[in-house]
Amino acid sequence: EPEVTQTPSHQVTQMGQEVILRCVPISNHLYFYWYRQILGQKVEFLVSFYNNEISEKSEIFDDQFSVERPDGSNFTLKIRSTKLEDSAMYFCASAFRDSNQPQHFGDGTRLSIL
Amino acid sequence: AQSVTQPDIHITVSEGASLELRCNYSYGATPYLFWYVQSPGQGLQLLLKYFSGDTLVQGIKGFEAEFKRSQSSFNLRKPSVHWSDAAEYFCAVGDLSYNTDKLIFGTGTRLQVFP
Repeated sequence: EPEVTQTPSHQVTQMGQEVILRCVPISNHLYFYWYRQILGQKVEFLVSFYNNEISEKSEIFDDQFSVERPDGSNFTLKIRSTKLEDSAMYFCASAFRDSNQPQHFGDGTRLSIL
Repeated sequence: AQSVTQPDIHITVSEGASLELRCNYSYGATPYLFWYVQSPGQGLQLLLKYFSGDTLVQGIKGFEAEFKRSQSSFNLRKPSVHWSDAAEYFCAVGDLSYNTDKLIFGTGTRLQVFP
């Protein structure tokens, strides 16, 4: 069964550094998402992306965050200058169509900011 | 505001016992409802989904859930729990009537299974 794959599985970064989290969505999917889960808390929506542009973003997704689909397969989340509170598990998800198709999630990248 | 409530933070059952995990939502016209499971160190795996039609939906691993509009609930059930079901379970809701396809997640229920 096709899967969403995320790399790396664990990223440790110094505060203030830039970090890029990578995702390879399922190949025929058109909608892409990032969510995050701070340890012990619920999964929160960050951003959705369709047709090479952001379709929706949450309050968490401030100017420090950006997303990109640099080629036909990768979908990346960049955090420009990381803060301690960015430490979380970041999940990528993809869907074939919006809302009436389920979002399929990757295994996540655990980001630890020191 | 849109919200999802999972009242039970932690549930412990014996292997072979039945299970019901509760989920209530506060949402718009027609919610799309999902249950995801997260094993330790793993991602979110879709157990089942409800979009429309039959309000009792079957999922993977022997799970089922029933959508009750009058109670704004979408409870997850399994007649006989296996030790491998120990994990965290998340209820999630989407609603196109708000012109969004983001999912709103509950806080999760951690299931522990005793032999």
